[in-house]
Amino acid sequence: KAGVTQTPRYLIKTRGQQVTLSCSPISGHRSVSWYQQTPGQGLQFLFEYFSETQRNKGNFPGRFSGRQFSNSRSEMNVSTLELGDSALYLCASSRGQGVGETQYFGPGTRLLVL
Amino acid sequence: KNQVEQSPQSLIILEGKNCTLQCNYTVSPFSNLRWYKQDTGRGPVSLTIMTFSENTKSNGRYTATLDADTKQSSLHITASQLSDSASYICVVRDPSGGSYIPTFGRGTSLIVHP
Repeated sequence: KAGVTQTPRYLIKTRGQQVTLSCSPISGHRSVSWYQQTPGQGLQFLFEYFSETQRNKGNFPGRFSGRQFSNSRSEMNVSTLELGDSALYLCASSRGQGVGETQYFGPGTRLLVL
Repeated sequence: KNQVEQSPQSLIILEGKNCTLQCNYTVSPFSNLRWYKQDTGRGPVSLTIMTFSENTKSNGRYTATLDADTKQSSLHITASQLSDSASYICVVRDPSGGSYIPTFGRGTSLIVHP
């Protein structure tokens, strides 16, 4: 079974631009979560989607948004990019949204904002 | 603010030796505590998960312990191998408001030398 895939793997943008990242979960998985990972802050939770609905949201500004499609694929968007948005963005999928569900992570999209 | 603190920040050991990584948390109550292993350039992979009522959980050469009274967890690695070189991340789920937002530690970077 194929794992979680994320596209693109690497991205360079400039301040003020916007970016859209894509995540395809493992087949059969209906929950998708997004995380930001930086050397300074470590991993931080962005949001979680289940059945096309946002279930949980972390403490990030409104510039960060996401959505989930009927086939469980998900996208996240960051508008008006700032230098501090440079990070590894990880997507994880799980079969359900139970708190004990094991999440399977993708390889991430590395975003550099210049 | 809920926090998860990990120590040491980095650790270097010789192949075949044992080591113990620490995780202290202030999240209370919490629903579960999970340890992840993250290889360089890849997404985290779940090693163990424990609820507040569990004291120990093993996964091969990895054994996690939990003391809910002192809010401490440890991950013990037995007979280390070169492939154990990775970052180990502790995550605690906070059930406040039914949202179960995960709080991550910043990880311990482990290097195993031959």
